[in-house]
Amino acid sequence: DAGVIQSPRHEVTEMGQEVTLRCKPISGHNSLFWYRQTMMRGLELLIYFNNNVPIDDSGMPEDRFSAKMPNASFSTLKIQPSEPRDSAVYFCASSPAGGVDEQYFGPGTRLTVT
Amino acid sequence: GDSVTQMEGPVTLSEEAFLTINCTYTATGYPSLFWYVQYPGEGLQLLLKATKADDKGSNKGFEATYRKETTSFHLEKGSVQVSDSAVYFCALSPSGTYKYIFGTGTRLKVLA
Repeated sequence: DAGVIQSPRHEVTEMGQEVTLRCKPISGHNSLFWYRQTMMRGLELLIYFNNNVPIDDSGMPEDRFSAKMPNASFSTLKIQPSEPRDSAVYFCASSPAGGVDEQYFGPGTRLTVT
Repeated sequence: GDSVTQMEGPVTLSEEAFLTINCTYTATGYPSLFWYVQYPGEGLQLLLKATKADDKGSNKGFEATYRKETTSFHLEKGSVQVSDSAVYFCALSPSGTYKYIFGTGTRLKVLA
């Protein structure tokens, strides 16, 4: 199994630009999570999808952030416009069984906004 | 609300030393408890888990026991290796939910 795939692995962009992060969950997993990791705040859950439907987006910091899951094998997290404080590592994770079990994390995307 | 508290790092040990990383939690009911490990440049990987009181999770020489009476889930390993150098996260998931609450992580550095 290829595991959770994220792209790009690194992204450097200028303030004000649009950034799109991509995730392919493990085949057969019906739950998908986006997390943000920073030194100051640790790991924060941004949004949770179950069967492609957003269930909990209470962690999305503000309207500049949006996430979609058009099908079971693909999800995007978009930041528009980006700001320097968005710099972080963004992880995607997937899980079988409605998320009530182990979560499998991707390698992350390190985002730097200058 | 539910929370996880981990010991501050970094923890620096010599190879073959005994490791303990403390983790305590606050939660209602009977959450599941996890230890995840993050190697440099990688995502988190499940190391071990326990789903009910007195359960012992174990993997790769690491162990942790779910202690309801002390609300703890301390991670131990009898003899660490250089390859164990990583950041270790304690986490809980309230019973029957998808949510994870992570601790702040403890960085372990093992010297040869």
